[in-house]
Amino acid sequence: EPEVTQTPSHQVTQMGQEVILRCVPISNHLYFYWYRQILGQKVEFLVSFYNNEISEKSEIFDDQFSVERPDGSNFTLKIRSTKLEDSAMYFCASIAASDTQYFGPGTRLTVL
Amino acid sequence: AQSVTQLGSHVSVSEGALVLLRCNYSSSVPPYLFWYVQYPNQGLQLLLKYTSAATLVKGINGFEAEFKKSETSFHLTKPSAHMSDAAEYFCAVSASVGDEKLTFGTGTRLTIIP
Repeated sequence: EPEVTQTPSHQVTQMGQEVILRCVPISNHLYFYWYRQILGQKVEFLVSFYNNEISEKSEIFDDQFSVERPDGSNFTLKIRSTKLEDSAMYFCASIAASDTQYFGPGTRLTVL
Repeated sequence: AQSVTQLGSHVSVSEGALVLLRCNYSSSVPPYLFWYVQYPNQGLQLLLKYTSAATLVKGINGFEAEFKKSETSFHLTKPSAHMSDAAEYFCAVSASVGDEKLTFGTGTRLTIIP
């Protein structure tokens, strides 16, 4: 069964460093998302991406964040200068039209 | 805007007992509702979804949920709990079943007592 994959599974970084989280969505899916889950809290929407541009973003998704689909398979989330409060589990999700969102296993980001 | 409220951050049931996880929603448009399960160190897996067809929705692993508009509820049930059901359960809502973002509840951690 096709699945969404994410790498790395765990990323440790120093405050102020840039990180790139990678996702490979399911191949025929058209819409892509990033969500995050701070430890002990609920899953929060960050951004949605369709047709090579952001379709919606939350207030969390400020100028420090960016997303890109650099080729036909990868979907990346970049955090330019990480803060302690960026420590969280980041989930990628993808969807075909009028279907269900499929989530990847997540990347745990730890900012020291 | 949509939101969901999950009552009870922790629920414990005995193996073989009824599982009931509560979710109430708020939506300015007819909602699409979802239950996701998260096993330790894993991603989110869809259990079931309500998309305005039948109000009683059956999902995987013996779970089902009933959409009750009058009560703005979408509670998740399973007649007989199994040890493997121990996980975190999230209710979520969106304005459509297509390309809309999901808004999640705070989750309910289900513990099964042997």
